[in-house]
Amino acid sequence: AQSVAQPEDQVNVAEGNPLTVKCTYSVSGNPYLFWYVQYPNRGLQFLLKYITGDNLVKGSYGFEAEFNKSQTSFHLKKPSALVSDSALYFCAVRDLIYEDTDKLIFGTGTRLQVFP
Amino acid sequence: ETGVTQTPRHLVMGMTNKKSLKCEQHLGHNAMYWYKQSAKKPLELMFVYNFKEQTENNSVPSRFSPECPNSSHLFLHLHTLQPEDSALYLCASSQDTFAQYFGPGTRLTVL
Repeated sequence: AQSVAQPEDQVNVAEGNPLTVKCTYSVSGNPYLFWYVQYPNRGLQFLLKYITGDNLVKGSYGFEAEFNKSQTSFHLKKPSALVSDSALYFCAVRDLIYEDTDKLIFGTGTRLQVFP
Repeated sequence: ETGVTQTPRHLVMGMTNKKSLKCEQHLGHNAMYWYKQSAKKPLELMFVYNFKEQTENNSVPSRFSPECPNSSHLFLHLHTLQPEDSALYLCASSQDTFAQYFGPGTRLTVL
């Protein structure tokens, strides 16, 4: 079964410092991986995805993620954190139902807190 | 985020009430989803509809009843819920891009 793990419940980082939010995956076949962000009282917003191609994927708001097949990881990164990046971040892996219907298996989420 | 709308944003109901949650997507997508988000638990997929046909029912209790009259609208009918059903209910849609787009959610409280 497809699954993702987010080992950290919370990550604290000072504004201006680089941030990393960790995600590891377990899949059969090629992984389709995603990052979503959730701000307070809001739904999830799509940040980026990896399907094939370059291992470094760039997404919204200056975020990027690095796909590492040997370590089965898909960590989310940003070179310089902003206070406004403080939110709940979810890693997800696609599980195929039918050819054109997918479902996402989400991790438990990591709360990112950026301090001024 | 405005591509997927959900109403109401907040709902308080008693265990004997009947209510419905509504989701509408303006993105031309063919698949729609209901998720449940509870505190300290992973998002739980509840139902999936593809081209108005239900393709997934993730062992959801019958007190939750989905309805998809067309590919743009999705409802979740609620009846005789329990307090543990209190959660944020999220709707999402997708179309061949492997990325799902979420609505803002309905915060449900069952008294």
